[in-house]
Formats: sequence, C-alpha cells, structure tokens
Amino acid sequence: NAGVTQTPKFQVLKTGQSMTLQCAQDMNHNSMYWYRQDPGMGLRLIYYSASEGTTDKGEVPNGYNVSRLNKREFSLRLESAAPSQTSVYFCASSNPATGANVLTFGAGSRLTVL
Amino acid sequence: EDQVTQSPEALRLQEGESSSLNCSYTVSGLRGLFWYRQDPGKGPEFLFTLYSAGEEKEKERLKATLTKKESFLHITAPKPEDSATYLCAVQAVTGANSKLTFGKGITLSVRP
Repeated sequence: NAGVTQTPKFQVLKTGQSMTLQCAQDMNHNSMYWYRQDPGMGLRLIYYSASEGTTDKGEVPNGYNVSRLNKREFSLRLESAAPSQTSVYFCASSNPATGANVLTFGAGSRLTVL
Repeated sequence: EDQVTQSPEALRLQEGESSSLNCSYTVSGLRGLFWYRQDPGKGPEFLFTLYSAGEEKEKERLKATLTKKESFLHITAPKPEDSATYLCAVQAVTGANSKLTFGKGITLSVRP
C-alpha cells in the first residue's frame, strides 16, 4: 500500500503566485488533515476534513483554502503565496471512529516562497 | 486550550547510554497520548498510543509510560539508528473531530 501520497515534494514560488498541494490516501480513511511544520514551532494544523464533503479550519488557516475532492483526495491551495508560508507541509489521514485518532502522514512537501 | 511541552529540545547520547524523553501535557480529558518518530526529510511515523495513567507500551528499545500529567519515552541502550526527532501529541475527549495537539519534538542523536 502507498499510504498517503503528497505531490509535489519540492516547490519554489515567487510572492503572489498560487499553487495547489495534492494529497491522496488509499487506506479508506474518513478524516484527512493538512499540517505545516516550521523549526521551533512543531506541527500546526491548517485545515482538516472529518469526512467527505466537510472541511474545517485548524489553528493556522489564514492564506489557505482546501478541497475534499472525494474520500481519497484532499488538496491545499495557496491563492497568493507569501514568504511566511515557506514551510514543510504534511498531509495526514485517519479513522477517528475506530477510537484513538492515529494519524498516518505523507512524506511532506517542502515549499519555499521567495 | 490543550498544551504539550516536550523536553529537552535536543539530546545527545553515546551508544548504549539509556535515557528518557519527557512530554508534559494539559488537556481537558485525555482520550489518547501519542508518540511519533520523525526521520529527517520524512513524515512522522506512529510509535505508541497510551490511554490512561499507569499504562506502558514497549517496542524494541523504546518504552512509553503515562501519568496524569506527563509521559516518558524511555530509550534503553540506544543505537545510532534510534537518532530521530520524537514527537508527542494529545487527543482530548471533548472538542471537534478528535484533533491532535503536538509538542515541538525532541531531537535525539546517538553517537557510535
């Protein structure tokens, strides 16, 4: 099984450009998440989707939008990138209904905004 | 607001030198406490879930324990391949969608 797949792995943008990070999972999980990880800050939740058709803001949603395209796919869009959005982005999925919310993470997407 | 504090920020050990990593937490009712391992350039990988005070879980050289206020990840006779960042997270009983709150992580380096 591939687990959680993120694309692209690396991206460099100029300030003001837009882009979409893609995420797909093949574990039939209901919930999906987007986190960002910055040095000294730990993992911070941007947006999550409890189930297909629903999305909610996390801790740091400003400057981002998401789309839960279907049960497998959850994309993160930066409409007008800013240098403060330089970070490593992780997608994760889980099945909270089974009890404790064990997340399975993708390998990450490293984004640099110049 | 749920909070997780991990200490120390970084730890350097000699191979075979046992030690413990600390995770202190504040949560409005604990559903679960999680430990993850993260290697450089990779996503976090699940290690353990602990549910209640007094619980312990083991995997190879790692043992995780839980009290009402903190969790410890004990590393016995570590090897260089145990070098990684270890993340702690908590899930509250209440609150939306079983969200996890993560600590900042502890970077462990084990020298041969």
